[in-house]
Amino acid sequence: AQTVTQSQPEMSVQEAETVTLSCTYDTSESDYYLFWYKQPPSRQMILVIRQEAYKQQNATENRFSVNFQKAAKSFSLKISDSQLGDAAMYFCAYVRAQGGSEKLVFGKGTKLTVNP
Amino acid sequence: EAGVAQSPRYKIIEKRQSVAFWCNPISGHATLYWYQQILGQGPKLLIQFQNNGVVDDSQLPKDRFSAERLKGVDSTLKIQPAKLEDSAVYLCASSFARTSGVQQFFGPGTRLTVL
Repeated sequence: AQTVTQSQPEMSVQEAETVTLSCTYDTSESDYYLFWYKQPPSRQMILVIRQEAYKQQNATENRFSVNFQKAAKSFSLKISDSQLGDAAMYFCAYVRAQGGSEKLVFGKGTKLTVNP
Repeated sequence: EAGVAQSPRYKIIEKRQSVAFWCNPISGHATLYWYQQILGQGPKLLIQFQNNGVVDDSQLPKDRFSAERLKGVDSTLKIQPAKLEDSAVYLCASSFARTSGVQQFFGPGTRLTVL
């Protein structure tokens, strides 16, 4: 079974600085997708960024970028120029590319605090 | 575009009572998911629908949980009877199609407290 591990229960960053959230996963599949979701206190989960496993190029979305290391099964999220609105729970998630359901397998999350 | 709607937002019940949650996905989204998020954990899939058919309910405690998606649009998740360990946030999500990389859009969730 696939598992996703987020080893940092909490992180903090100063406004305008950079922070990196860690995620590792375990799978025997070769083709899959990885996601980072943001869950603000209002609880509506929002997609931050998506990575396709067969693409070597790391995904970027404005201030958000990932460091995808397929061999190491590592998928970290870097937030540059942190803003107060970035404060939230961040979840790393995995989904297999083929076969069965399209269920997301989530890690336990990292709570990010942004200090002014 | 309206997002995924869920109601109620909060529910408090006593153990052994029953409860139902409602979800209205984004218009045109054929795939609907119910996730359970226990405090301090990531969401866990309970059931996935494709239109009104079940794709995956392997993690649904079928002795007490049931779900349906009438006419392939709205969905209802029911718990009967509830246990203390069912206290959680129940998230509904939808996606346009059954494609693994496609984005799942989440609703605001229903926070259930079982006393």
